[in-house]
Amino acid sequence: EVVLTQSPGTVSLSPGERATLSCRASQSVSSDSLVWYQQKPGQAPRLLLYATSNRATGIPDRFSGSGSETDFTLTISRLEPEDFALYYCQHFDSSPGWTFGQGTKVEVK
Amino acid sequence: QVQLVQSGAEVKKPGASVKVSCKASGYTFVDYFVHWVRQAPGQGLEWMGRISPFSGVRNFADNFQGRLTMTTDRSVSTAYMELTSLKSDDTSVYYCAREGIRGNYRRHFDFWGQGTLVAVSS
Repeated sequence: EVVLTQSPGTVSLSPGERATLSCRASQSVSSDSLVWYQQKPGQAPRLLLYATSNRATGIPDRFSGSGSETDFTLTISRLEPEDFALYYCQHFDSSPGWTFGQGTKVEVK
Repeated sequence: QVQLVQSGAEVKKPGASVKVSCKASGYTFVDYFVHWVRQAPGQGLEWMGRISPFSGVRNFADNFQGRLTMTTDRSVSTAYMELTSLKSDDTSVYYCAREGIRGNYRRHFDFWGQGTLVAVSS
């Protein structure tokens, strides 16, 4: 079973700064199945990127994704106030299905 | 616009069952898998299973085999999740989500319900 480990657990940044979030898989995974979500308190997750680097509808281009095999990255080029939130990566494999990383919190410094 | 609207919060006693509904609108219900994901207070996301409203095919996470029932009613574009033998650690927000289709890409959840809090307490 693939385990996704996100780092850091929490990152403290200021608006306008660049955020780099990591998602590491315990074994090589298909980049077609690596997904990123954003979640704000009291809200459902929102799809950001699918297949590693494809932005979902309405997602601004300051969000970008990259990576392959075991190392994937979500980059927010310049943090806006509304970007301070939790971010989860997700992966699909035939067994055990869909798994999520434990999340990275982006907080205001 | 695509919407998934879930039923309201529930309070249950240990050993009881809960059934949560998820009404879809704004798209052809039978064309997309519906997933169920839960989130315990202050914790991460846990995938539970998925169902095809078209074929009825279901896939389950190992943790929920035998306790989770997923159904759909195509006449009202609604998916249902029933969890039995509830325990206190089943206290969570339960989400339904649509599995998106973008060209050759699937496996992502492009629309989510607002979540349903299920609290299990004696």
